[in-house]
Amino acid sequence: GAGVSQTPSNKVTEKGKYVELRCDPISGHTALYWYRQSLGQGPEFLIYFQGTGAADDSGLPNDRFFAVRPEGSVSTLKIQRTERGDSAVYLCASSLGAGVQETQYFGPGTRLLVL
Amino acid sequence: AQSVTQLDSHVSVSEGTPVLLRCNYSSSYSPSLFWYVQHPNKGLQLLLKYTSAATLVKGINGFEAEFKKSETSFHLTKPSAHMSDAAEYFCVVRLNQAGTALIFGKGTTLSVSS
Repeated sequence: GAGVSQTPSNKVTEKGKYVELRCDPISGHTALYWYRQSLGQGPEFLIYFQGTGAADDSGLPNDRFFAVRPEGSVSTLKIQRTERGDSAVYLCASSLGAGVQETQYFGPGTRLLVL
Repeated sequence: AQSVTQLDSHVSVSEGTPVLLRCNYSSSYSPSLFWYVQHPNKGLQLLLKYTSAATLVKGINGFEAEFKKSETSFHLTKPSAHMSDAAEYFCVVRLNQAGTALIFGKGTTLSVSS
């Protein structure tokens, strides 16, 4: 079956621009997570959705970052006034539920480069 | 707070020899522990997970890991390396609490030579 998909796979933008990154979770998965992976590091948590609501956004680095999931399926991560330090791979993961037994399945990521 | 330390940033082995990737964790509560693998240009894939059941956990592709509470370790092993095992491996900890995020180590790059 289809896994988690993310678009675009690569995004190059200029400092100060606005970008949107999209995540399509596995069908029926209610929990959705965004992570950011900088070069040479492990992924770091950004935000978690249960259904339509952001249940935990404690990982968002500042108010330039925002994410939505209006219908409880597709999610969009939005970054305003991009900075060179935002360059990273942005990963999305989904799980059937939020329980501790649930496995998080990851998408291939969006590689963002801010020039 | 939860954290993981992967003790080696890079491990090199020959094909057919054993693999050992070391991980120590820190957690205030009884955690869930995972190993994920990331092949170049591919998404993260779950290798195995420990969630307070059997301490010796078997995963895919012949990998296994043992949870040792006394040593706060969760080392990943495989008896015989294959060329296709070359990848980045992440040790991951999670609170045993619904909806919590995964906390990743910095990763270990495994190289396999013929």
